[in-house]
Amino acid sequence: DAEITQSPRHKITETGRQVTLACHQTWNHNNMFWYRQDLGHGLRLIHYSYGVQDTNKGEVSDGYSVSRSNTEDLPLTLESAASSQTSVYFCASSESTGKTRNEQFFGPGTRLTVL
Amino acid sequence: AQSVSQHNHHVILSEAASLELGCNYSYGGTVNLFWYVQYPGQHLQLLLKYFSGDPLVKGIKGFEAEFIKSKFSFNLRKPSVQWSDTAEYFCAVPYSGAGSYQLTFGKGTKLSVIP
Repeated sequence: DAEITQSPRHKITETGRQVTLACHQTWNHNNMFWYRQDLGHGLRLIHYSYGVQDTNKGEVSDGYSVSRSNTEDLPLTLESAASSQTSVYFCASSESTGKTRNEQFFGPGTRLTVL
Repeated sequence: AQSVSQHNHHVILSEAASLELGCNYSYGGTVNLFWYVQYPGQHLQLLLKYFSGDPLVKGIKGFEAEFIKSKFSFNLRKPSVQWSDTAEYFCAVPYSGAGSYQLTFGKGTKLSVIP
């Protein structure tokens, strides 16, 4: 079955370190998204990509970057981790054509703690 | 850009009680509408979706939602909740109408069902 995987599932890091969260999907979807989930804020979009070599900033992109070198992967990098980036991070993907193009499929999430 | 309002932050019900969670969106054109559910410690899963046709949509686990275009609403309902329905529920719409791949999520409604 197609799926989205995220790794690591849990990560503890220190302020100032660079951290990369992996997202891998086997749906063959063109669209991929990164969200953070915080109490009281729901899901907020960090970055998204509509295809290979395409990346776009979302609502809360400061301090984050992504790259898309193939269809399956969209790694999220925190350039210099800050305590404000402690959160749960979800990756999602969706089709770019057809009636279900807006329906997003989510990965299991990564819980990141920045000390 | 769309905005999504979920009116209830936390709802507490006894088992067998009926449920209605409100969702209002701002865009007046053609929309696709989604409800996602997040069980404790898990990722978001699609509960139901509306693309076109019958405004009463049935989803998994006995949930349904009604799209009322004149009220810009897509309320989620279940006639009789179970303890296993304890979760957080998110309404989502495309960021800027049916042509956008991004979704805008509401802040979520936490449902607690008391046995």
